[in-house]
Amino acid sequence: DTEVTQTPKHLVMGMTNKKSLKCEQHMGHRAMYWYKQKAKKPPELMFVYSYEKLSINESVPSRFSPECPNSSLLNLHLHALQPEDSALYLCASSQTIYGTGYTFGSGTRLTVV
Amino acid sequence: QQQVKQSPQSLIVQKGGISIINCAYENTAFDYFPWYQQFPGKGPALLIAIRPDVSEKKEGRFTISFNKSAKQFSLHIMDSQPGDSATYFCAASIPPKAAGNKLTFGGGTRVLVKP
Repeated sequence: DTEVTQTPKHLVMGMTNKKSLKCEQHMGHRAMYWYKQKAKKPPELMFVYSYEKLSINESVPSRFSPECPNSSLLNLHLHALQPEDSALYLCASSQTIYGTGYTFGSGTRLTVV
Repeated sequence: QQQVKQSPQSLIVQKGGISIINCAYENTAFDYFPWYQQFPGKGPALLIAIRPDVSEKKEGRFTISFNKSAKQFSLHIMDSQPGDSATYFCAASIPPKAAGNKLTFGGGTRVLVKP
């Protein structure tokens, strides 16, 4: 298995909703990442988990809450989002924190209404 | 602050032609330079990567040229095909410490290969 699987593929949520994005990999990668990508822009790093511990938070608003339950799973909990948070949310993994060659998932297209 | 500058923003090339995308960086601590290909609705996929101790790397129709003194690197797509139509991102990263391997992306180049 050489994939990073993200669910759901599409999500529409209201500004008062609570939802979660899920990411899963079974490549034995020990570093996992959340990126946000707006249309026609490059991905921007949000969070890095290294060996299931949060190691980088790029000053992301608290309405985004990451969680790494185990070495294969990464969640992003969403609460009280704003319309400007609408974007493609990408999960990625690498073999270790020194891992070259990130593997990205296909992303979750999030629309906040 | 854009640490990796990519050009052009868009590119149209005829089938069989050569696509050339350029990137420039300022941070001399960068030591890993990957290129990613992204199709609409998909995540970026690693295409090819290079480290500063190598001046050129070729994989199939894709070649990275690296100029350490000029702090520039480029992607050449030889014999471009319509299936190569996608957005291409260059990226760079510094040696990770305990925290993780953060990629800094260029702005992206939308390539359209006309049949």
